[in-house]
Amino acid sequence: SQQGEEDPQALSIQEGENATMNCSYKTSINNLQWYRQNSGRGLVHLILIRSNEREKHSGRLRVTLDTSKKSSSLLITASRAADTASYFCATGGFNTDKLIFGTGTRLQVFP
Amino acid sequence: EAQVTQNPRYLITVTGKKLTVTCSQNMNHEYMSWYRQDPGLGLRQIYYSMNVEVTDKGDVPEGYKVSRKEKRNFPLILESPSPNQTSLYFCASRIGQVNSPLHFGNGTRLTVT
Repeated sequence: SQQGEEDPQALSIQEGENATMNCSYKTSINNLQWYRQNSGRGLVHLILIRSNEREKHSGRLRVTLDTSKKSSSLLITASRAADTASYFCATGGFNTDKLIFGTGTRLQVFP
Repeated sequence: EAQVTQNPRYLITVTGKKLTVTCSQNMNHEYMSWYRQDPGLGLRQIYYSMNVEVTDKGDVPEGYKVSRKEKRNFPLILESPSPNQTSLYFCASRIGQVNSPLHFGNGTRLTVT
C-alpha cells in the first residue's frame, strides 16, 4: 500500500539554486524519513523527523513536517551537481515497524 | 566499514530456474528486510525478519522465500522465477528499535526471461 507521494515527480535546477520536494501521506505517522538514491544504487538515509517535531536541519538539508496537512517537505539549499539523485520519503506508523516508501522525486542539478 | 552486501549485482536467468540472492550485514542489526523497486511503484517490501529464525511476509511475498539462520545473513530465494519478478532488489537492515533508519545494500538487478 502506497503511503507517501512525492511532488514533483521530477525537478531540474541549476547549481546554486534551492530544491524543494514535497511528500504527502494518508494516515497518522510516528515519524517520516527522507532517503536519497543515486542512479541504480541503494538508498541512503538522510534525515528522520518525528511526529512531534515541525522542522529539522542537517547541513544543507531542511525538513519540515505538518501533521495537520499530512505533508512534509525537503529543502536542499545551494544545490550541487552531486545532489543529482532520486529522493524518497518513507513513513513509519505507531503500531507497525514497517516503513512505507513513496515513489520518489528525481532531482537533476545542472552545473 | 559498516555495510550491507548483496550478491550478485546483476543476474539474468530463465523462467523456472531456482536462484538465491545473498545479503549480509556486518552491523549486528536485528532487523533485515527485502524490497523490490519497480518504475512508478516505489519500493515494496517482500519479506522481513525481526531477528534470527523470525521472518514475516511483507506486501508482495508471493513467489519468494527467505531464511534467517544467522543474524548477519538474510538470503532471498526464488524457487521458480517468472518474468514478473524482473526487478531491482534491495536488502536493508537496521537496529531493532522500531522505525530506526534503514541501511541498504547496493541492489541486485534481476532479469527473468
